[in-house]
Amino acid sequence: AQSVAQPEDQVNVAEGNPLTVKCTYSVSGNPYLFWYVQYPNRGLQFLLKYITGDNLVKGSYGFEAEFNKSQTSFHLKKPSALVSDSALYFCAVRAPGDYKLSFGAGTTVTVRA
Amino acid sequence: DAGVIQSPRHEVTEMGQEVTLRCKPISGHDYLFWYRQTMMRGLELLIYFNNNVPIDDSGMPEDRFSAKMPNASFSTLKIQPSEPRDSAVYFCASSSQGVDRQPQHFGDGTRLSIL
Repeated sequence: AQSVAQPEDQVNVAEGNPLTVKCTYSVSGNPYLFWYVQYPNRGLQFLLKYITGDNLVKGSYGFEAEFNKSQTSFHLKKPSALVSDSALYFCAVRAPGDYKLSFGAGTTVTVRA
Repeated sequence: DAGVIQSPRHEVTEMGQEVTLRCKPISGHDYLFWYRQTMMRGLELLIYFNNNVPIDDSGMPEDRFSAKMPNASFSTLKIQPSEPRDSAVYFCASSSQGVDRQPQHFGDGTRLSIL
Protein backbone atom coordinates (compact mmCIF):
# COMPACT_ATOMS: atom_id res chain seq x y z
CA ALA A 1 0.00 0.00 0.00
CA GLN A 2 1.16 3.50 -0.71
CA SER A 3 0.85 6.44 1.63
CA VAL A 4 1.93 10.01 2.15
CA ALA A 5 2.67 11.87 5.37
CA GLN A 6 2.67 15.63 5.71
CA PRO A 7 3.94 16.08 9.25
CA GLU A 8 2.92 19.70 9.62
CA ASP A 9 -0.71 20.75 9.65
CA GLN A 10 0.29 24.39 9.38
CA VAL A 11 3.30 26.38 8.22
CA ASN A 12 3.58 30.08 8.92
CA VAL A 13 6.20 32.27 7.29
CA ALA A 14 6.79 35.94 6.67
CA GLU A 15 6.61 37.28 3.15
CA GLY A 16 9.99 37.17 1.48
CA ASN A 17 11.24 34.31 3.62
CA PRO A 18 11.86 30.79 2.33
CA LEU A 19 8.96 28.39 2.44
CA THR A 20 9.25 24.63 2.94
CA VAL A 21 6.38 22.16 3.10
CA LYS A 22 7.41 18.67 4.10
CA CYS A 23 6.30 15.38 2.61
CA THR A 24 7.40 11.80 3.11
CA TYR A 25 6.04 8.82 1.23
CA SER A 26 5.82 5.06 1.24
CA VAL A 27 5.36 3.08 -1.97
CA SER A 28 6.47 -0.17 -3.54
CA GLY A 29 8.98 0.51 -6.25
CA ASN A 30 9.93 3.86 -7.68
CA PRO A 31 7.47 6.58 -6.77
CA TYR A 32 5.68 9.08 -8.93
CA LEU A 33 5.27 12.17 -6.76
CA PHE A 34 3.06 15.22 -7.13
CA TRP A 35 2.32 18.48 -5.39
CA TYR A 36 -1.02 20.25 -5.60
CA VAL A 37 -2.28 23.54 -4.18
CA GLN A 38 -5.85 24.33 -3.19
CA TYR A 39 -7.16 27.85 -2.75
CA PRO A 40 -10.42 28.50 -0.87
CA ASN A 41 -13.49 27.27 -2.72
CA ARG A 42 -11.40 25.93 -5.58
CA GLY A 43 -10.24 22.57 -6.77
CA LEU A 44 -6.72 21.24 -6.48
CA GLN A 45 -4.24 22.74 -8.91
CA PHE A 46 -1.21 20.81 -10.09
CA LEU A 47 2.12 22.41 -9.15
CA LEU A 48 4.81 19.93 -10.12
CA LYS A 49 5.72 16.28 -10.37
CA TYR A 50 8.67 13.95 -10.10
CA ILE A 51 8.70 10.91 -12.35
CA THR A 52 12.37 10.26 -13.02
CA GLY A 53 15.59 12.14 -13.68
CA ASP A 54 16.89 15.18 -11.86
CA ASN A 55 16.03 15.13 -8.18
CA LEU A 56 15.23 18.85 -8.20
CA VAL A 57 11.96 19.55 -9.96
CA LYS A 58 10.76 23.02 -10.85
CA GLY A 59 7.08 23.83 -11.14
CA SER A 60 4.53 26.60 -11.31
CA TYR A 61 4.60 29.91 -9.43
CA GLY A 62 8.29 29.60 -8.52
CA PHE A 63 7.89 26.39 -6.54
CA GLU A 64 10.35 23.55 -6.62
CA ALA A 65 10.66 20.20 -4.89
CA GLU A 66 13.52 17.91 -4.10
CA PHE A 67 13.21 14.16 -4.35
CA ASN A 68 15.33 12.31 -1.80
CA LYS A 69 15.14 8.57 -2.25
CA SER A 70 17.12 7.63 0.83
CA GLN A 71 14.90 9.73 3.06
CA THR A 72 11.74 8.94 1.05
CA SER A 73 10.96 12.62 1.01
CA PHE A 74 9.67 15.12 -1.52
CA HIS A 75 9.67 18.52 0.19
CA LEU A 76 8.16 21.52 -1.55
CA LYS A 77 10.14 24.75 -1.47
CA LYS A 78 9.95 28.34 -2.53
CA PRO A 79 12.90 30.69 -1.98
CA SER A 80 10.80 33.78 -1.30
CA ALA A 81 7.19 33.36 -0.21
CA LEU A 82 4.37 35.68 -1.21
CA VAL A 83 1.15 36.45 0.65
CA SER A 84 -0.66 34.98 -2.34
CA ASP A 85 1.00 31.61 -1.64
CA SER A 86 -1.27 31.20 1.37
CA ALA A 87 -3.27 28.06 0.61
CA LEU A 88 -3.62 24.36 1.37
CA TYR A 89 -0.90 22.17 -0.11
CA PHE A 90 -1.18 18.46 -0.85
CA CYS A 91 1.54 15.96 -1.58
CA ALA A 92 0.52 12.82 -3.49
CA VAL A 93 2.17 9.58 -4.56
CA ARG A 94 1.41 6.70 -6.87
CA ALA A 95 3.25 3.60 -7.91
CA PRO A 96 4.21 3.16 -11.57
CA GLY A 97 1.34 1.70 -13.56
CA ASP A 98 -1.14 2.42 -10.82
CA TYR A 99 -4.11 4.70 -11.34
CA LYS A 100 -4.65 5.47 -7.70
CA LEU A 101 -3.18 8.69 -6.34
CA SER A 102 -2.72 8.73 -2.58
CA PHE A 103 -2.90 12.17 -1.01
CA GLY A 104 -1.48 13.46 2.22
CA ALA A 105 -3.71 15.22 4.72
CA GLY A 106 -2.59 18.62 3.52
CA THR A 107 -0.58 21.49 5.00
CA THR A 108 -2.06 24.94 5.42
CA VAL A 109 0.45 27.61 4.53
CA THR A 110 -0.01 31.14 5.81
CA VAL A 111 2.30 33.85 4.57
CA ARG A 112 2.04 37.06 6.58
CA ALA A 113 2.82 40.44 5.13
CA ASP B 1 -8.52 25.74 -22.78
CA ALA B 2 -11.49 24.79 -20.61
CA GLY B 3 -10.76 22.84 -17.49
CA VAL B 4 -12.93 20.31 -15.70
CA ILE B 5 -16.38 21.75 -15.21
CA GLN B 6 -18.63 20.75 -12.34
CA SER B 7 -22.20 21.70 -11.57
CA PRO B 8 -23.78 22.82 -9.43
CA ARG B 9 -21.16 24.61 -7.36
CA HIS B 10 -23.36 24.51 -4.31
CA GLU B 11 -26.25 22.27 -3.40
CA VAL B 12 -28.38 22.43 -0.27
CA THR B 13 -31.11 19.87 0.12
CA GLU B 14 -33.02 17.99 2.74
CA MET B 15 -32.26 14.52 3.95
CA GLY B 16 -33.86 11.85 1.85
CA GLN B 17 -33.77 13.81 -1.39
CA GLU B 18 -31.95 12.65 -4.48
CA VAL B 19 -28.82 14.60 -5.37
CA THR B 20 -27.12 14.57 -8.76
CA LEU B 21 -23.69 16.06 -9.30
CA ARG B 22 -22.37 16.64 -12.80
CA CYS B 23 -18.95 16.73 -14.37
CA LYS B 24 -17.55 17.56 -17.78
CA PRO B 25 -13.94 16.38 -18.10
CA ILE B 26 -11.27 18.00 -20.20
CA SER B 27 -11.70 17.08 -23.83
CA GLY B 28 -9.47 14.18 -24.84
CA HIS B 29 -8.94 12.89 -21.33
CA ASP B 30 -9.56 9.17 -20.96
CA TYR B 31 -9.74 8.93 -17.18
CA LEU B 32 -12.28 10.46 -14.85
CA PHE B 33 -12.18 10.39 -11.06
CA TRP B 34 -14.71 11.32 -8.38
CA TYR B 35 -13.41 12.40 -4.98
CA ARG B 36 -14.98 13.50 -1.74
CA GLN B 37 -13.27 15.97 0.60
CA THR B 38 -14.13 16.38 4.27
CA MET B 39 -12.25 17.82 7.21
CA MET B 40 -12.31 14.49 9.01
CA ARG B 41 -11.28 12.16 6.20
CA GLY B 42 -9.46 14.43 3.77
CA LEU B 43 -9.60 13.48 0.09
CA GLU B 44 -11.18 10.12 -0.68
CA LEU B 45 -11.33 8.51 -4.11
CA LEU B 46 -14.86 7.26 -4.70
CA ILE B 47 -14.72 5.82 -8.21
CA TYR B 48 -12.81 6.13 -11.44
CA PHE B 49 -13.61 5.55 -15.10
CA ASN B 50 -11.42 4.70 -18.05
CA ASN B 51 -12.89 5.28 -21.50
CA ASN B 52 -16.33 5.70 -19.90
CA VAL B 53 -16.16 2.33 -18.13
CA PRO B 54 -16.13 2.18 -14.32
CA ILE B 55 -12.91 0.47 -13.29
CA ASP B 56 -12.84 0.70 -9.52
CA ASP B 57 -15.77 1.72 -7.34
CA SER B 58 -14.40 0.33 -4.10
CA GLY B 59 -14.38 3.80 -2.59
CA MET B 60 -18.09 4.34 -3.03
CA PRO B 61 -19.34 4.43 0.54
CA GLU B 62 -22.72 2.75 0.15
CA ASP B 63 -25.30 1.58 -2.32
CA ARG B 64 -26.90 4.99 -2.01
CA PHE B 65 -24.07 6.28 -4.18
CA SER B 66 -23.93 5.59 -7.90
CA ALA B 67 -21.92 7.05 -10.78
CA LYS B 68 -22.29 6.92 -14.52
CA MET B 69 -20.39 8.09 -17.54
CA PRO B 70 -22.69 7.83 -20.57
CA ASN B 71 -20.15 9.44 -22.88
CA ALA B 72 -16.65 10.87 -22.93
CA SER B 73 -17.77 14.36 -22.02
CA PHE B 74 -20.15 13.79 -19.14
CA SER B 75 -20.37 12.00 -15.82
CA THR B 76 -22.79 12.06 -12.91
CA LEU B 77 -22.55 11.11 -9.28
CA LYS B 78 -25.89 10.41 -7.68
CA ILE B 79 -26.84 10.02 -4.04
CA GLN B 80 -30.24 8.56 -3.29
CA PRO B 81 -31.43 8.95 -0.62
CA SER B 82 -29.12 11.60 0.76
CA GLU B 83 -28.12 11.79 4.43
CA PRO B 84 -26.53 14.58 6.51
CA ARG B 85 -23.25 12.64 6.68
CA ASP B 86 -22.95 12.96 2.92
CA SER B 87 -22.26 16.66 3.35
CA ALA B 88 -18.87 17.33 1.80
CA VAL B 89 -17.16 18.85 -1.20
CA TYR B 90 -17.23 16.52 -4.17
CA PHE B 91 -14.55 16.88 -6.82
CA CYS B 92 -14.29 15.50 -10.29
CA ALA B 93 -10.88 15.15 -11.92
CA SER B 94 -9.69 13.96 -15.31
CA SER B 95 -6.41 12.73 -16.69
CA SER B 96 -4.95 11.72 -20.01
CA GLN B 97 -3.27 8.51 -21.18
CA GLY B 98 -0.28 7.40 -19.20
CA VAL B 99 -2.37 8.11 -16.18
CA ASP B 100 0.31 7.13 -13.71
CA ARG B 101 2.66 9.82 -14.99
CA GLN B 102 0.12 12.50 -15.69
CA PRO B 103 -1.37 14.87 -13.14
CA GLN B 104 -5.07 14.86 -12.50
CA HIS B 105 -6.90 18.06 -13.34
CA PHE B 106 -9.57 18.96 -10.83
CA GLY B 107 -12.80 20.85 -11.16
CA ASP B 108 -13.76 23.45 -8.57
CA GLY B 109 -16.06 21.02 -6.81
CA THR B 110 -19.63 20.87 -5.61
CA ARG B 111 -20.20 21.85 -2.01
CA LEU B 112 -23.04 19.64 -0.83
CA SER B 113 -25.00 20.30 2.33
CA ILE B 114 -27.65 17.83 3.44
CA LEU B 115 -29.97 19.22 6.11
